[in-house]
Amino acid sequence: AQSVAQPEDQVNVAEGNPLTVKCTYSVSGNPYLFWYVQYPNRGLQFLLKYITGDNLVKGSYGFEAEFNKSQTSFHLKKPSALVSDSALYFCAVRDPGYSSASKIIFGSGTRLSIRP
Amino acid sequence: DADVTQTPRNRITKTGKRIMLECSQTKGHDRMYWYRQDPGLGLRLIYYSFDVKDINKGEISDGYSVSRQAQAKFSLSLESAIPNQTALYFCATSDTTGKAFFGQGTRLTVV
Repeated sequence: AQSVAQPEDQVNVAEGNPLTVKCTYSVSGNPYLFWYVQYPNRGLQFLLKYITGDNLVKGSYGFEAEFNKSQTSFHLKKPSALVSDSALYFCAVRDPGYSSASKIIFGSGTRLSIRP
Repeated sequence: DADVTQTPRNRITKTGKRIMLECSQTKGHDRMYWYRQDPGLGLRLIYYSFDVKDINKGEISDGYSVSRQAQAKFSLSLESAIPNQTALYFCATSDTTGKAFFGQGTRLTVV
């Protein structure tokens, strides 16, 4: 069964510093991986995805993520954090099959707090 | 207009009552999902549907039922609401890669 883990409930970073939000996954076959962001009282918004190709994926708002197959990880990164990046971040995985088992599973979320 | 619309946005109901949460989408996607969000637990999948004739249970389907009335509509029902079903509920659609589009959420309180 597919699963995704976000080991950190909260990440605190000073503005201007680089940030990393961790995600590991378990899925049979080659995964489809996603990051989403949730601002207060809002639904989740898509940031980026990895389907195939380059291991470094670039997304919205200056975020990027690195796919590492050997470590089954897909960490979210940003070179220089902004206070406005403070939000709840979710990693998600989908089995690439086309059967009804190919559902989207989300991690527990990591709250990112950027201090001025 | 939003791509995925949920109604109602907020609802308070009493224990034992039946309640329906509705979701409609204009994305033209076949795949639709219902999740609930609880603090510290992330999003947990309740039910999902890959077309009008395909309904699948997720991780936490007990106490819930769904209906896919059309490609664009996917409703979630709580047959007899209980307090631990108090949560934020999200409907989502996805394209064929799995990129998901979420509604604004329904905050449900069961008293």
